[in-house]
This record gives sequence, C-alpha cells and structure tokens, in this order.
Amino acid sequence: EVQLVESGGGLVQPGRSLRLSCTASGFTFGDYAMSWVRQAPGKGLEWVGFIRSKAYGGTTEYAASVKGRFTISRDDSKSIAYLQMNSLKTEDTAVYYCTRRKAAGKGYYYMDVWGKGTTVTVSS
Amino acid sequence: QSVLTQPPSVSEAPRQRVTISCSGSSSNIGNNAVNWYQQLPGKAPKLLIYYDDLLPSGVSDRFSGSKSGTSASLAISGLQSEDEADYYCAAWDDSLNGLVFGTGTKVTVL
Repeated sequence: EVQLVESGGGLVQPGRSLRLSCTASGFTFGDYAMSWVRQAPGKGLEWVGFIRSKAYGGTTEYAASVKGRFTISRDDSKSIAYLQMNSLKTEDTAVYYCTRRKAAGKGYYYMDVWGKGTTVTVSS
Repeated sequence: QSVLTQPPSVSEAPRQRVTISCSGSSSNIGNNAVNWYQQLPGKAPKLLIYYDDLLPSGVSDRFSGSKSGTSASLAISGLQSEDEADYYCAAWDDSLNGLVFGTGTKVTVL
C-alpha cells in the first residue's frame, strides 16, 4: 500500500525551529518529487514547497511566505522527506501534509498521495 | 493568499447536480493544468480530478472536471450525503513560480 506518514509536529515557541519528517512506503521514493502543503486552523490549503527527484537535480521551490526560512530535503536511502522550519512565526501554525507529486511536463503536475498530516503550533 | 477564486459554499438536494467554479488568470489556469481535491471533514485532502478532466482510479464518475480559458469547473452529479466536503482547485502559477490553491468551496447536501 502506498503510504506517507508525517511526524515531528508539536508546540514550539516563535523564533524557534522544528523539523518534520515524511516517511514513505509502498513505492520507489527516489523516483518522485515530494511536496509539503499546510492548512491553518479553519483555513484553506496553502502550498509550502517541493523537492524534485535526484533525476531532476533534487532542486527545490518554495512559497514566498516560507522562502528563506523553510528548507525541504530528502534521504532516498531511507525514503524520507524533511521540512526544516526555522524562525517560526505564529502564522506558521497549521497542519502540515506531505504529498507525492507527479508531473507530465511543464504545467502538468498533481499530488496524488497525501499523508494524514502533523500539527505544528507556534505559540509562546 | 489564494489566487484562484471559488464560491464559499454550494448546496443542493440529494440526487441533484452541483457545479463549483474556479476562476484564475493566464499565469495559472490559462496556461497550466487544473487539479481538484476533496477534503472530507477532519480528513486529509484527496485527489479528485487531475489534468483538467481526468479521474484517478477509484474516483466515482459522478465527478467531472472541465476548463475554458482562465476558469475551471467541477461538477458533481447524483449528489450524495457522502459528498459533503470542502473542494479545492489548484494549478501551477508561472508568475509566482509556485502552486496556487483555490479559496475552497463547502458542499452541503440538503
């Protein structure tokens, strides 16, 4: 069964750091780009960023709201994607979802597998 | 901030049809594929439609997607109580160089 499981969420003070993990199973992790999406309490979905597969350079893209503070990385040997969150703000409070990203060319992308999410609360 | 605009809510009786609109611009919907996601209460989102009008395996054919210019639509026919959920459109935005989601639409079955 194809599955993504997020972990690492919790309560953290503003200005501190937190690292989320996304453990994949049931598919060849290294073949896929991986994304993170978040949802603030009672709000809609917000894209955080993604990391390409090594075949496409393993490069990353980020939303403007997190660029320079968040870093996505991957360890293909462990089938884990990470979201390193630094300089956290209260507005980063959200459920963070890990997703598998599929692409068929420029502009043709979608996220076909989602984890159940992990909750991050930024508060003093 | 959401770049794609959806109606906040739609409601209809069981077995009827509803349509959810998603309005964007030439930098997103007008130039890239649209995907739709369903989020049941308390659950993670689930892919419903991809590449404008394709159904993933296992998704009911009561759901259909379409796109024209800078707008897209999701239709649900034969509405059932289990369709009560939030629905989001999404597309890549070339100007922002990022994925943008719609504002979300809550579907209520009367």
